[in-house]
Amino acid sequence: QSALTQPASVSGSPGQSITISCTGTSSDVGSYNLVSWYQQHPGKAPKLMIYEVSKRPSGVSNRFSGSKSGNTASLTISGLQAEDEADYYCCSYAGSSPNWVFGGGTKLTVL
Amino acid sequence: QITLKESGPTLVKPTQTLTLTCTFSGFSLTTSAVAVGWIRQPPGKALEWLALIFWDDDKRYSPSLKSRLTLTKDTSKNQVVLTMTNMDPVDTATYYCAQYTSGWSFDYWGQGTLVTVSS
Repeated sequence: QSALTQPASVSGSPGQSITISCTGTSSDVGSYNLVSWYQQHPGKAPKLMIYEVSKRPSGVSNRFSGSKSGNTASLTISGLQAEDEADYYCCSYAGSSPNWVFGGGTKLTVL
Repeated sequence: QITLKESGPTLVKPTQTLTLTCTFSGFSLTTSAVAVGWIRQPPGKALEWLALIFWDDDKRYSPSLKSRLTLTKDTSKNQVVLTMTNMDPVDTATYYCAQYTSGWSFDYWGQGTLVTVSS
């Protein structure tokens, strides 16, 4: 099973909005509304930002939102802030085997 | 407050077996729909899911590593142990354990432990 496909990098200025895509297949992203997104700052553990495609855990800013269309999921960050600069990973449940697959990661730079 | 912490050797030799322990608090692995997973990240690279063990002892393994991985749990100690056999330099990575719940996501993560495979 190949990793989900994400752009290597995206960038935006403070206050702007950006969207990170996560493309899978009909066996993972396309089949299940079970995509999650993680934020990882350098040297730190990943942090859950979005689960079940579009749900936000308690404490996560409403500037973060998720969506899905077909085999592609997306994470949108609005009102970019310097603290949003980090790596972002998507993850999808993929059925019986393999069970979970991560994306290759996207580095977000806040200009 | 939910916390997880990985422990184990920082250096292993090629062909050796790696044993990592995840010690957690703030939740129980006897609670329905709760699981603990392992994810690794080679230096400068992406996350890779390895394995997951559920409250009912159901275990899932990455197909590419299944033959080398074993998961066990000790609910009395709030620990999950991952063993990986026949270690190779390409297995050098930070290994994370994480709580997995009914949200089908890895909700809380340990700080990670860097394991280097080298002779």
